[in-house]
Amino acid sequence: EADIYQTPRYLVIGTGKKITLECSQTMGHDKMYWYQQDPGMELHLIHYSYGVNSTEKGDLSSESTVSRIRTEHFPLTLESARPSHTSQYLCASRGGALTEAFFGQGTRLTVV
Amino acid sequence: GNSVTQMEGPVTLSEEAFLTINCTYTATGYPSLFWYVQYPGEGLQLLLKATKADDKGSNKGFEATYRKETTSFHLEKGSVQVSDSAVYFCALTGNYNQGGKLIFGQGTELSVKP
Repeated sequence: EADIYQTPRYLVIGTGKKITLECSQTMGHDKMYWYQQDPGMELHLIHYSYGVNSTEKGDLSSESTVSRIRTEHFPLTLESARPSHTSQYLCASRGGALTEAFFGQGTRLTVV
Repeated sequence: GNSVTQMEGPVTLSEEAFLTINCTYTATGYPSLFWYVQYPGEGLQLLLKATKADDKGSNKGFEATYRKETTSFHLEKGSVQVSDSAVYFCALTGNYNQGGKLIFGQGTELSVKP
């Protein structure tokens, strides 16, 4: 059982609102990731972190921002949500360079 | 850099049919290989993995063998069930220039009919 949690599971918000998607893991993993998953299923890496105070942008440009103040916590923030941000967001963590990633259950975001 | 190519879906099978989902990869060095499964409305779960050539990963009746000579990691199951309906992702570890990130294929949707 993976110990990585995302909240909320589902969120419907209005355009222009600021939101934060939470992701926490209790495995002590240094590496954490945010993926955006489109309806076609493909996963797009939007942010990653290799440790506290380390954050990098991923392969897909995103208007969201992330922070990593504590090892276990990797929140993603949208300052002003738009309908184009409607998607499923998946958080993951890994312990080592050749190890598997553990995923949270995802947050399905709908911006109306 | 490292990359993964999966067979396109959707794949539709009858219950108890044999399943193969093809996965080939391009990699430098010696990556680890993974299959993940995503059930509707859920995150990804690790299904199986292999960390070196000729390793066979297995779990829940699924198997995949790390074939370095053909750069493949095909997923197989001898008799699928309706409950196996899900999206399957092949993945490998990226190389140093890719920051060690996991590289995913585009996913293959499997639908099993009773």
